[in-house]
Amino acid sequence: DTAVSQTPKYLVTQMGNDKSIKCEQNLGHDTMYWYKQDSKKFLKIMFSYNNKELIINETVPNRFSPKSPDKAHLNLHINSLELGDSAVYFCASSQGGIGLETQYFGPGTRLLVL
Amino acid sequence: GQNIDQPTEMTATEGAIVQINCTYQTSGFNGLFWYQQHAGEAPTFLSYNVLDGLEEKGRFSSFLSRSKGYSYLLLKELQMKDSASYLCAVRDITGGFKTIFGAGTRLFVKA
Repeated sequence: DTAVSQTPKYLVTQMGNDKSIKCEQNLGHDTMYWYKQDSKKFLKIMFSYNNKELIINETVPNRFSPKSPDKAHLNLHINSLELGDSAVYFCASSQGGIGLETQYFGPGTRLLVL
Repeated sequence: GQNIDQPTEMTATEGAIVQINCTYQTSGFNGLFWYQQHAGEAPTFLSYNVLDGLEEKGRFSSFLSRSKGYSYLLLKELQMKDSASYLCAVRDITGGFKTIFGAGTRLFVKA
């Protein structure tokens, strides 16, 4: 029944490790996103995919690599984690098209790098 | 570039009306959204304006003036559960139809 789901919900790890966050949407949407929300609550776009193709790639370190195996999934892999990567990561999806840009967010993944 | 400004915090009383303002500067405006985010939860969609004027949806209304780069979210008959952050977000067609979020306004509703 969940529209946009993310796993894991919490992730605590050591600096230097590599980790992945998974996202799935069952809304039939064409576009998926990854956002980072830091301690100041700014929600910043990181990546956007439309039908498995990358369309937005903000100034994000290349340690972050998104992968979209199909249009219902957008995973985020992070190499060599740093303290500054600690944040809440939200996945979202939207149908796309004029008037259909409303984004539906997943529950978030709380990443803490020690 | 893009810039979105909204007040950091507001406090209002249960049953009252509150207006949360948002001003924006963007080169390729293509719509404005308001999202609600309760502490520890994901943002959820409240409203969308692309043309000037007022959009009403129950206790919530949103207004847009494109010429002034201005929007507001109006919450009527405030309830305690309305205590949350309210995020103004602008869709920009430059650079691939990005949605740029403001920092949010934390609303505290007191009894």
